[in-house]
Amino acid sequence: AQSVTQLDSQVPVFEEAPVELRCNYSSSVSVYLFWYVQYPNQGLQLLLKYLSGSTLVESINGFEAEFNKSQTSFHLRKPSVHISDTAEYFCAVSDGNYGQNFVFGPGTRLSVLP
Amino acid sequence: SQTIHQWPATLVQPVGSPLSLECTVEGTSNPNLYWYRQAAGRGLQLLFYSVGIGQISSEVPQNLSASRPQDRQFILSSKKLLLSDSGFYLCAWSSNTGTYTGELFFGEGSRLTVL
Repeated sequence: AQSVTQLDSQVPVFEEAPVELRCNYSSSVSVYLFWYVQYPNQGLQLLLKYLSGSTLVESINGFEAEFNKSQTSFHLRKPSVHISDTAEYFCAVSDGNYGQNFVFGPGTRLSVLP
Repeated sequence: SQTIHQWPATLVQPVGSPLSLECTVEGTSNPNLYWYRQAAGRGLQLLFYSVGIGQISSEVPQNLSASRPQDRQFILSSKKLLLSDSGFYLCAWSSNTGTYTGELFFGEGSRLTVL
């Protein structure tokens, strides 16, 4: 069975400051890792994903995440946040089988303050 | 391109009333379909998923049910709503053909308030 831990339920940060949202997972098999973002009263949108290859993946809006197999982590980072980054962020893990083996973390609410 | 639609967007229902939420996917064939629930302050809970017409797997025992009458239509139902059924319901789809990409595509969600 797989599980995902997001230790920080809320992260307040000032605009233009850097941020890191932590994600750790546990799995007995190889995994695929994802970060999703949810703006208020909306569905989830894929932010970035790691399937294979380079362990550092980037999104089009400046976020990046690094897959660290030894530490079973997939932390999300951004060097300078904007007010518009305020949202809920979910880390997720999949073992490649569609359906029930796509597991989401509890989410981290990022609040960017002016 | 593929799109996913959910309706209604918001719903206020009394306890004991029935429920029907609909989800339709366009632009793809034979998708895997999912219903998730997001309760206030909590993460995502997978309720049902389907890999084909009439094939439904339930993850959590409850008074909800799901049906897939057509390839790209997924319906979430209840005969009698409970207060605990309040939440934000999300439909999602994924491809099950070709190279695995893993991505789930979500609808905009349906907010259900049971009074």
